[in-house]
Amino acid sequence: GAGVSQSPSNKVTEKGKDVELRCDPISGHTALYWYRQSLGQGLEFLIYFQGNSAPDKSGLPSDRFSAERTGGSVSTLTIQRTQQEDSAVYLCASSPGANEQFFGPGTRLTVL
Amino acid sequence: RKEVEQDPGPFNVPEGATVAFNCTYSNSASQSFFWYRQDCRKEPKLLMSVYSSGNEDGRFTAQLNRASQYISLLIRDSKLSDSATYLCGEPDSWGKLQFGAGTQVVVTP
Repeated sequence: GAGVSQSPSNKVTEKGKDVELRCDPISGHTALYWYRQSLGQGLEFLIYFQGNSAPDKSGLPSDRFSAERTGGSVSTLTIQRTQQEDSAVYLCASSPGANEQFFGPGTRLTVL
Repeated sequence: RKEVEQDPGPFNVPEGATVAFNCTYSNSASQSFFWYRQDCRKEPKLLMSVYSSGNEDGRFTAQLNRASQYISLLIRDSKLSDSATYLCGEPDSWGKLQFGAGTQVVVTP
């Protein structure tokens, strides 16, 4: 398919473990976003990649969170030493520029 | 003050009725805006892009009021399937899209 894909779709982990979430954006899209959404809440911006520019990390809630984007395509969001409050749906979106975003189906993270 | 603000609702709408709600923004230089709908436990999906004074797509009409810095979304002849949360998005000065918290619409039989 030509849409944004994310893996895994669901992740259950134990408190204190590290997790990696993957996002495959739409081919050719220069911008990539990560958001977090808790149940019944709005989108919480985490990080933004645009082309070769330095990423905007202003939304990362703590230094346990990091993300990288390799080769301007695939991105990985890493959460170290997970806490129960990290439980949420993590959404990735890509965009051809400063335009509309297209979202992936998300990864539902549950920290026990 | 948040950059993009929306009335959280819920807006309870009888089937067949019209509902409208607004999204206020702070970046007066913005040239584009986006409405998304998000169904429960699903990802947001683009509903409509707004690049000038407004846009219309079937039963959905978006209007932009630059003087008062808000965009509105109007849904005519509401269907049960229109029940969702509607998110408003606006690019900031660096092109990063910012979203409001969403407006919940519940269409009732």
